[in-house]
Amino acid sequence: DAKTTQPPSMDCAEGRAANLPCNHSTISGNEYVYWYRQIHSQGPQYIIHGLKNNETNEMASLIITEDRKSSTLILPHATLRDTAVYYCIVRVADSGGSNYKLTFGKGTLLTVNP
Amino acid sequence: DVKVTQSSRYLVKRTGEKVFLECVQDMDHENMFWYRQDPGLGLRLIYFSYDVKMKEKGDIPEGYSVSREKKERFSLILESASTNQTSMYLCASSLLGLAAGELFFGEGSRLTVL
Repeated sequence: DAKTTQPPSMDCAEGRAANLPCNHSTISGNEYVYWYRQIHSQGPQYIIHGLKNNETNEMASLIITEDRKSSTLILPHATLRDTAVYYCIVRVADSGGSNYKLTFGKGTLLTVNP
Repeated sequence: DVKVTQSSRYLVKRTGEKVFLECVQDMDHENMFWYRQDPGLGLRLIYFSYDVKMKEKGDIPEGYSVSREKKERFSLILESASTNQTSMYLCASSLLGLAAGELFFGEGSRLTVL
């Protein structure tokens, strides 16, 4: 799986959009981009994933650049409860055997301030 | 909603004890995983299973074993606990195929080995 690079920390004001970047310059054509978050003392939570096109769900939007070397997770109206570590992961979606695992890096600590 | 339940949130054990960490999921997922999480090291995969009675080593299997006798249950076993196994243990599950990257995590089990 391709490696990802994320800033260690970011701040955002409550009610504003939080834009979390991720660099994955060595991504392969069949690798998806996944985003998870982990609120303190809880297990990670799946947010969204995508391959080429931008994706949106009830939690967030995912913007992937045309060359797929980077992506941005957008929380449109951040709340205090969005304070968490956000992980960007790339992997082959439909892979069998030993390729099922997800490799979590250190992520970005997003702090939403009142 | 998918629910992944870990048997204990907090455990304290003595060096040399045999420790069982139990995980049950209620959504008929094929894949199940055990991770440990330590400060500065992130989440590391210990073992995973993609079918009943099947198991695969992750990145750090030494000192651990697993059991999957039923589809919904995945147990992590520390045959002889050591202090360096003090950690947060996280269980997760997912479907096969394209949804395999959407992991659902439990709340975690914090194990302290004295």
